[in-house]
Amino acid sequence: KQEVTQIPAALSVPEGENLVLNCSFTDSAIYNLQWFRQDPGKGLTSLLLIQSSQREQTSGRLNASLDKSSGRSTLYIAASQPGDSATYLCAPFSGGYNKLIFGAGTRLAVHP
Amino acid sequence: DAGVIQSPRHEVTEMGQEVTLRCKPISGHNSLFWYRQTMMRGLELLIYFNNNVPIDDSGMPEDRFSAKMPNASFSTLKIQPSEPRDSAVYFCASNIQGVSGNTIYFGEGSWLTVV
Repeated sequence: KQEVTQIPAALSVPEGENLVLNCSFTDSAIYNLQWFRQDPGKGLTSLLLIQSSQREQTSGRLNASLDKSSGRSTLYIAASQPGDSATYLCAPFSGGYNKLIFGAGTRLAVHP
Repeated sequence: DAGVIQSPRHEVTEMGQEVTLRCKPISGHNSLFWYRQTMMRGLELLIYFNNNVPIDDSGMPEDRFSAKMPNASFSTLKIQPSEPRDSAVYFCASNIQGVSGNTIYFGEGSWLTVV
Protein backbone atom coordinates (compact mmCIF):
# COMPACT_ATOMS: atom_id res chain seq x y z
CA LYS A 1 0.00 0.00 0.00
CA GLN A 2 1.38 3.40 -1.01
CA GLU A 3 1.98 5.83 1.86
CA VAL A 4 2.98 9.43 1.22
CA THR A 5 4.65 11.70 3.77
CA GLN A 6 5.23 15.42 3.41
CA ILE A 7 7.69 17.42 5.48
CA PRO A 8 7.36 19.97 6.93
CA ALA A 9 3.67 19.95 7.78
CA ALA A 10 3.68 23.74 8.02
CA LEU A 11 6.09 26.51 7.08
CA SER A 12 6.03 30.24 7.74
CA VAL A 13 8.66 32.39 6.03
CA PRO A 14 9.32 35.99 5.08
CA GLU A 15 8.88 37.04 1.51
CA GLY A 16 11.84 36.41 -0.80
CA GLU A 17 13.11 33.18 0.69
CA ASN A 18 13.86 30.10 -1.41
CA LEU A 19 11.86 27.14 -0.11
CA VAL A 20 12.15 23.37 -0.14
CA LEU A 21 9.12 21.13 0.37
CA ASN A 22 9.74 17.42 0.74
CA CYS A 23 7.67 14.40 -0.23
CA SER A 24 8.48 10.73 0.34
CA PHE A 25 6.57 7.65 -0.76
CA THR A 26 6.92 4.00 0.18
CA ASP A 27 6.18 2.27 -3.14
CA SER A 28 8.67 3.31 -5.82
CA ALA A 29 6.69 1.56 -8.58
CA ILE A 30 5.05 4.76 -9.72
CA TYR A 31 4.23 6.05 -13.18
CA ASN A 32 4.70 9.69 -12.29
CA LEU A 33 4.22 12.21 -9.50
CA GLN A 34 2.13 15.34 -9.43
CA TRP A 35 2.37 18.44 -7.23
CA PHE A 36 -0.77 20.40 -6.46
CA ARG A 37 -1.63 23.64 -4.77
CA GLN A 38 -4.80 24.15 -2.71
CA ASP A 39 -5.98 27.54 -1.52
CA PRO A 40 -8.31 27.71 1.51
CA GLY A 41 -11.84 26.77 0.56
CA LYS A 42 -10.86 25.91 -2.98
CA GLY A 43 -10.13 22.91 -5.15
CA LEU A 44 -6.75 21.60 -6.21
CA THR A 45 -4.66 23.16 -8.94
CA SER A 46 -2.01 21.06 -10.68
CA LEU A 47 1.43 22.69 -10.60
CA LEU A 48 3.82 20.14 -12.06
CA LEU A 49 3.80 16.56 -13.25
CA ILE A 50 7.04 14.57 -13.39
CA GLN A 51 7.13 11.34 -15.36
CA SER A 52 8.93 8.41 -13.75
CA SER A 53 11.64 8.66 -16.41
CA GLN A 54 12.33 12.31 -15.62
CA ARG A 55 14.52 13.78 -12.92
CA GLU A 56 12.96 17.21 -12.72
CA GLN A 57 10.35 19.56 -14.11
CA THR A 58 10.25 23.35 -14.03
CA SER A 59 7.50 25.94 -14.28
CA GLY A 60 8.40 29.55 -13.59
CA ARG A 61 9.67 29.85 -10.01
CA LEU A 62 8.79 26.22 -9.29
CA ASN A 63 11.08 23.27 -9.77
CA ALA A 64 10.20 19.70 -8.84
CA SER A 65 12.68 16.86 -8.68
CA LEU A 66 12.05 13.15 -8.50
CA ASP A 67 14.26 10.34 -7.21
CA LYS A 68 12.07 7.35 -7.89
CA SER A 69 14.47 4.73 -6.54
CA SER A 70 14.68 6.37 -3.14
CA GLY A 71 11.00 7.34 -3.09
CA ARG A 72 11.51 11.08 -2.82
CA SER A 73 10.38 14.23 -4.54
CA THR A 74 11.19 17.84 -3.73
CA LEU A 75 9.40 21.03 -4.69
CA TYR A 76 11.59 24.14 -4.81
CA ILE A 77 9.98 27.55 -4.72
CA ALA A 78 12.31 30.40 -5.63
CA ALA A 79 11.92 33.94 -4.32
CA SER A 80 8.72 33.21 -2.42
CA GLN A 81 5.84 35.72 -2.49
CA PRO A 82 2.77 36.21 -0.29
CA GLY A 83 0.68 34.90 -3.18
CA ASP A 84 2.42 31.54 -2.78
CA SER A 85 0.65 31.02 0.54
CA ALA A 86 -1.37 27.82 0.22
CA THR A 87 -1.22 24.11 0.97
CA TYR A 88 1.03 22.10 -1.34
CA LEU A 89 0.26 18.43 -1.91
CA CYS A 90 2.26 15.75 -3.65
CA ALA A 91 0.64 12.72 -5.18
CA PRO A 92 2.38 9.80 -6.87
CA PHE A 93 0.50 7.73 -9.43
CA SER A 94 0.63 4.16 -8.19
CA GLY A 95 -1.41 1.00 -7.84
CA GLY A 96 -0.79 -0.02 -11.43
CA TYR A 97 -3.72 1.77 -12.98
CA ASN A 98 -4.04 5.52 -12.78
CA LYS A 99 -4.39 5.72 -9.01
CA LEU A 100 -3.32 8.98 -7.33
CA ILE A 101 -2.47 8.85 -3.59
CA PHE A 102 -2.06 12.12 -1.70
CA GLY A 103 0.17 13.24 1.12
CA ALA A 104 -1.24 15.36 3.94
CA GLY A 105 0.32 18.48 2.48
CA THR A 106 2.61 21.29 3.56
CA ARG A 107 0.79 24.44 4.67
CA LEU A 108 2.85 27.43 3.54
CA ALA A 109 2.52 31.01 4.75
CA VAL A 110 4.68 33.70 3.16
CA HIS A 111 4.47 37.02 4.96
CA PRO A 112 5.48 40.42 3.58
CA ASP B 1 -12.87 24.10 -21.69
CA ALA B 2 -14.95 24.81 -18.58
CA GLY B 3 -13.03 22.33 -16.47
CA VAL B 4 -14.52 19.72 -14.17
CA ILE B 5 -17.94 20.91 -13.02
CA GLN B 6 -19.45 19.81 -9.74
CA SER B 7 -22.82 20.46 -8.19
CA PRO B 8 -24.02 21.43 -5.73
CA ARG B 9 -21.16 23.58 -4.44
CA HIS B 10 -22.58 23.61 -0.95
CA GLU B 11 -25.21 21.44 0.70
CA VAL B 12 -26.53 21.27 4.21
CA THR B 13 -28.80 18.34 4.94
CA GLU B 14 -30.28 16.55 7.89
CA MET B 15 -29.08 13.19 9.07
CA GLY B 16 -30.89 10.36 7.32
CA GLN B 17 -31.52 12.26 4.12
CA GLU B 18 -30.26 11.15 0.74
CA VAL B 19 -27.48 13.24 -0.81
CA THR B 20 -26.58 13.20 -4.48
CA LEU B 21 -23.44 14.89 -5.75
CA ARG B 22 -22.92 15.42 -9.45
CA CYS B 23 -19.92 15.75 -11.69
CA LYS B 24 -19.28 16.59 -15.31
CA PRO B 25 -15.72 15.70 -16.35
CA ILE B 26 -13.68 17.53 -18.93
CA SER B 27 -14.79 16.57 -22.43
CA GLY B 28 -12.55 13.89 -23.91
CA HIS B 29 -11.28 12.62 -20.57
CA ASN B 30 -11.80 8.90 -20.04
CA SER B 31 -11.06 8.58 -16.32
CA LEU B 32 -13.07 10.06 -13.47
CA PHE B 33 -12.27 10.08 -9.77
CA TRP B 34 -14.20 10.84 -6.60
CA TYR B 35 -12.19 12.04 -3.60
CA ARG B 36 -13.21 13.05 -0.10
CA GLN B 37 -11.28 15.57 1.98
CA THR B 38 -11.51 15.99 5.75
CA MET B 39 -9.24 17.60 8.30
CA MET B 40 -8.66 14.28 10.02
CA ARG B 41 -8.00 12.04 7.03
CA GLY B 42 -6.89 14.40 4.29
CA LEU B 43 -7.69 13.49 0.68
CA GLU B 44 -8.98 9.96 0.19
CA LEU B 45 -9.76 8.29 -3.12
CA LEU B 46 -13.26 6.84 -2.94
CA ILE B 47 -13.69 5.37 -6.40
CA TYR B 48 -12.51 5.81 -9.93
CA PHE B 49 -13.92 4.98 -13.34
CA ASN B 50 -12.22 4.30 -16.62
CA ASN B 51 -14.33 4.47 -19.78
CA ASN B 52 -17.41 4.66 -17.53
CA VAL B 53 -16.55 1.39 -15.77
CA PRO B 54 -15.75 1.39 -12.02
CA ILE B 55 -12.18 0.14 -11.68
CA ASP B 56 -11.48 0.48 -7.97
CA ASP B 57 -14.10 1.20 -5.32
CA SER B 58 -12.05 0.00 -2.38
CA GLY B 59 -12.11 3.49 -0.90
CA MET B 60 -15.88 3.67 -0.63
CA PRO B 61 -16.42 3.75 3.14
CA GLU B 62 -19.56 1.63 3.38
CA ASP B 63 -22.70 0.51 1.63
CA ARG B 64 -24.35 3.85 2.23
CA PHE B 65 -22.11 5.23 -0.52
CA SER B 66 -22.65 4.46 -4.20
CA ALA B 67 -21.34 5.96 -7.43
CA LYS B 68 -22.46 5.70 -11.01
CA MET B 69 -21.23 6.87 -14.37
CA PRO B 70 -24.01 6.30 -16.91
CA ASN B 71 -22.09 8.03 -19.69
CA ALA B 72 -18.79 9.73 -20.43
CA SER B 73 -20.02 13.17 -19.43
CA PHE B 74 -21.76 12.54 -16.11
CA SER B 75 -21.21 10.85 -12.76
CA THR B 76 -23.01 10.83 -9.44
CA LEU B 77 -21.96 10.03 -5.88
CA LYS B 78 -24.87 9.16 -3.63
CA ILE B 79 -25.02 8.85 0.15
CA GLN B 80 -28.12 7.20 1.57
CA PRO B 81 -28.79 7.62 4.44
CA SER B 82 -26.40 10.45 5.28
CA GLU B 83 -24.73 10.77 8.68
CA PRO B 84 -22.92 13.69 10.38
CA ARG B 85 -19.56 11.93 9.91
CA ASP B 86 -20.07 12.19 6.15
CA SER B 87 -19.54 15.94 6.40
CA ALA B 88 -16.57 16.71 4.14
CA VAL B 89 -15.58 18.21 0.84
CA TYR B 90 -16.14 15.85 -2.05
CA PHE B 91 -13.98 16.40 -5.11
CA CYS B 92 -14.45 15.04 -8.58
CA ALA B 93 -11.46 14.88 -10.94
CA SER B 94 -10.78 13.66 -14.45
CA ASN B 95 -7.95 12.91 -16.83
CA ILE B 96 -6.96 11.01 -19.94
CA GLN B 97 -5.63 7.70 -18.73
CA GLY B 98 -2.42 6.59 -20.41
CA VAL B 99 0.49 4.27 -19.82
CA SER B 100 2.38 6.85 -17.78
CA GLY B 101 -0.61 8.83 -16.63
CA ASN B 102 -1.63 12.40 -17.34
CA THR B 103 -2.34 15.53 -15.36
CA ILE B 104 -5.45 15.19 -13.24
CA TYR B 105 -7.86 18.12 -13.12
CA PHE B 106 -10.03 18.74 -10.09
CA GLY B 107 -13.38 20.40 -9.73
CA GLU B 108 -14.05 23.05 -7.10
CA GLY B 109 -15.62 20.51 -4.77
CA SER B 110 -18.99 19.94 -3.13
CA TRP B 111 -19.01 21.07 0.50
CA LEU B 112 -21.35 18.77 2.42
CA THR B 113 -22.58 19.35 5.95
CA VAL B 114 -24.84 16.77 7.57
CA VAL B 115 -26.52 17.97 10.76
